[in-house]
Amino acid sequence: EAGVAQSPRYKIIEKRQSVAFWCNPISGHATLYWYQQILGQGPKLLIQFQNNGVVDDSQLPKDRFSAERLKGVDSTLKIQPAKLEDSAVYLCASNLYGWGSQETQYFGPGTRLLVL
Amino acid sequence: ELKVEQNPLFLSMQEGKNYTIYCNYSTTSDRLYWYRQDPGKSLESLFVLLSNGAVKQEGRLMASLDTKARLSTLHITAAVHDLSATYFCAVVRSGGGADGLTFGKGTHLIIQP
Repeated sequence: EAGVAQSPRYKIIEKRQSVAFWCNPISGHATLYWYQQILGQGPKLLIQFQNNGVVDDSQLPKDRFSAERLKGVDSTLKIQPAKLEDSAVYLCASNLYGWGSQETQYFGPGTRLLVL
Repeated sequence: ELKVEQNPLFLSMQEGKNYTIYCNYSTTSDRLYWYRQDPGKSLESLFVLLSNGAVKQEGRLMASLDTKARLSTLHITAAVHDLSATYFCAVVRSGGGADGLTFGKGTHLIIQP
């Protein structure tokens, strides 16, 4: 079974530029999450989708971050404009059933973003 | 606000020794996860603990959950170098439709020969 796919793996941009990340979850997984992991810290949830609907975006900085999951499969996370403090690894995770499920969340390899 | 605290944050130990990592969380939760992360890599799921008194074991790692104390432990038995990694516990807030994880800061474990 293929895992969670993410691209690009690395991205370097200058502050105030925009950037987009892509995630393809494990086939059939209804729930998709985006996390931000700053160096030396645990991941922090940004947004959760159930199919193509947003379940939780309470920690998403909506003035600069946006995300969508069209057709309930793959997802994109965008930052516009980027700030220095956005330098982090952006992790995508998926789960078969979502809320209440006893399944674990499976994480992709992440996209490492450096904002200069 | 749900808070998850791990201790210690850094641990250096010798092969063959036993040790325990502690994870405390601040509000009621019905699911607790342990993940492993190697340098530059993503997170690998180790355990999902779903009920009070749950205990799971895989190789030299054993995890337990006490929901009344809001405490989980990850015990390492007879450590070997391959277990060197950062270990995270993560908790799901009970109730509602959202089940994103709140992570601790991680325990950076180095096992020396």
